[in-house]
Amino acid sequence: DTEVTQTPKHLVMGMTNKKSLKCEQHMGHRAMYWYKQKAKKPPELMFVYSYEKLSINESVPSRFSPECPNSSLLNLHLHALQPEDSALYLCASSQDRGISGANVLTFGAGSRLTVL
Amino acid sequence: RKEVEQDPGPFNVPEGATVAFNCTYSNSASQSFFWYRQDCRKEPKLLMSVYSSGNEDGRFTAQLNRASQYISLLIRDSKLSDSATYLCVVNMEQAGTALIFGKGTTLSVSS
Repeated sequence: DTEVTQTPKHLVMGMTNKKSLKCEQHMGHRAMYWYKQKAKKPPELMFVYSYEKLSINESVPSRFSPECPNSSLLNLHLHALQPEDSALYLCASSQDRGISGANVLTFGAGSRLTVL
Repeated sequence: RKEVEQDPGPFNVPEGATVAFNCTYSNSASQSFFWYRQDCRKEPKLLMSVYSSGNEDGRFTAQLNRASQYISLLIRDSKLSDSATYLCVVNMEQAGTALIFGKGTTLSVSS
């Protein structure tokens, strides 16, 4: 069983809908990440939170809005998405950032998003 | 620059073969390196971290060459269960980002 839990596992939404993806970890990790993965491509970094503060936004369109309510939770709010945003959204956490040995990523199983 | 390049796949090998994957990275200041394994429609999972002195875990050996900015993964005595995509991951914190994945190399082991 993965120690990073993502919900929902599958989500289908229209272009005008507002939905959220949720991620939770109870390993005491202080860094949390959102990656996007399209079929047959590697995970692509979107956002990094460190100690509950947004530290990296990889020029992600504003229709994706991350939120870190506390050290265990990470949300990704979705609004006015496009069909090309359909992908697997992976949440990950690490003990810390930038410190060798503490930045091993543990991934959740992902949320598979389809935008119609 | 935030580039991590891997050998193009797929690698198709028989059981028992030895296979090696290489990965190059652009940021000479990178300090952390990893190999992840991803099975079809599953999340990536850590296979092994890569240390400066090289490290081995059973049939898997990882090496780092800082001067040439590449890391490698050697799999000996391939098993059917080794079939997966192997992703090279490099910490690009010094380039203003975080952990960046290479495109991945697909390995298919057949009997």
